[in-house]
Amino acid sequence: AQSVAQPEDQVNVAEGNPLTVKCTYSVSGNPYLFWYVQYPNRGLQFLLKYITGDNLVKGSYGFEAEFNKSQTSFHLKKPSALVSDSALYFCAVRPHNSGGYQKVTFGTGTKLQVIP
Amino acid sequence: DAGVTQSPTHLIKTRGQHVTLRCSPISGHKSVSWYQQVLGQGPQFIFQYYEKEERGRGNFPDRFSARQFPNYSSELNVNALLLGDSALYLCASSFRLGAVSSYEQYFGPGTRLTVT
Repeated sequence: AQSVAQPEDQVNVAEGNPLTVKCTYSVSGNPYLFWYVQYPNRGLQFLLKYITGDNLVKGSYGFEAEFNKSQTSFHLKKPSALVSDSALYFCAVRPHNSGGYQKVTFGTGTKLQVIP
Repeated sequence: DAGVTQSPTHLIKTRGQHVTLRCSPISGHKSVSWYQQVLGQGPQFIFQYYEKEERGRGNFPDRFSARQFPNYSSELNVNALLLGDSALYLCASSFRLGAVSSYEQYFGPGTRLTVT
């Protein structure tokens, strides 16, 4: 069975400082990995994905994530946090061999609070 | 282009009743997935439909059912509602053409179901 762990329920960071939101995963075979963001009373919004290739992937709004196969991690990062980045962030995984179908497993989410 | 739309936005039902939630995917998207998001948790996969056929099912009881229509819109039905069914129900669409998938999903704003 596949799973995702987001070890921090909340991350606080000062505006302008770098931020990291942690994610580790467990899946059979190679993973497809995703980060989504959820603002209050809204659906999830896609940020970035790792499918194959370069371990550092860049996404929307200046976010990036680094895939580390040996540590089974996919941490979300941003060099300089904005107050508007405050939201709930979800990491998700799907195995390569799911036949193209979306058997996606999400983590429990990390609330990011950027302090002015 | 319009995003994924869901109706209704909010719904209050009584235990034992039945509910139908509706979803319209992004134009051109042929795959629709349904998720249940309980407060404080990540989305849990319920169903995926592609070309009107069920392609995946999560660990939900038979009280949950869904279907996809020729225009790729979808309905989620829940019978014999329980208090524990209170959640945000999210619909997500993605595009699949032949063997090529758009790996990420695009989520609607959700339907907030409250069971009393």
